[in-house]
Amino acid sequence: GQQVMQIPQYQHVQEGEDFTTYCNSSTTLSNIQWYKQRPGGHPVFLIQLVKSGEVKKQKRLTFQFGEAKKNSSLHITATQTTDVGTYFCAGARSNDYKLSFGAGTTVTVRA
Amino acid sequence: SAVISQKPSRDICQRGTSLTIQCQVDSQVTMMFWYRQQPGQSLTLIATANQGSEATYESGFVIDKFPISRPNLTFSTLTVSNMSPEDSSIYLCSVEGAGHGNYGYTFGSGTRLTVV
Repeated sequence: GQQVMQIPQYQHVQEGEDFTTYCNSSTTLSNIQWYKQRPGGHPVFLIQLVKSGEVKKQKRLTFQFGEAKKNSSLHITATQTTDVGTYFCAGARSNDYKLSFGAGTTVTVRA
Repeated sequence: SAVISQKPSRDICQRGTSLTIQCQVDSQVTMMFWYRQQPGQSLTLIATANQGSEATYESGFVIDKFPISRPNLTFSTLTVSNMSPEDSSIYLCSVEGAGHGNYGYTFGSGTRLTVV
């Protein structure tokens, strides 16, 4: 079964507001990756986090990896219409190249 | 990062028939991955294809239903056999190497399959 849980499933955001999506794993991860899938498109790699407590930023997106390497979050500030899509986290366990994808958070933006 | 050409982009097929999906990568890669994404759902790994050996299938997927070929390091095919409406889904291939340092995964554009 799915090893990575992701919430919320849907996020309806007013343009300009912030939001966060969360991922939790039942096991310790060697790394966690984030992907964005636009409506009708395919997943596109955003970032990979490897170190315990790691924080990375990409413009308005802030990614965090928990100290125990079991959880992660993506925070988007000042949401824009270009942020519309589904954001997936995907975790990999040590010595296992396979990714386990979260259920995704589908974001819609109200102008 | 790798560039993947996947085709067909979409197809409508009759139940009981088979469809073969192709993925061509612009560089040599050891492993290629095949995923299924049902409408509004997450990605589920079907199998991992290594060149020169049989594909490794995940629980719930079998070779008779989803035969895979991997004739060289840049190409793979996935066949969806004896299709039923439950096979209607998006099928995606993927390889490592989406970002700097060769980490992350690149996905093909997907094949949207509808079985009627």
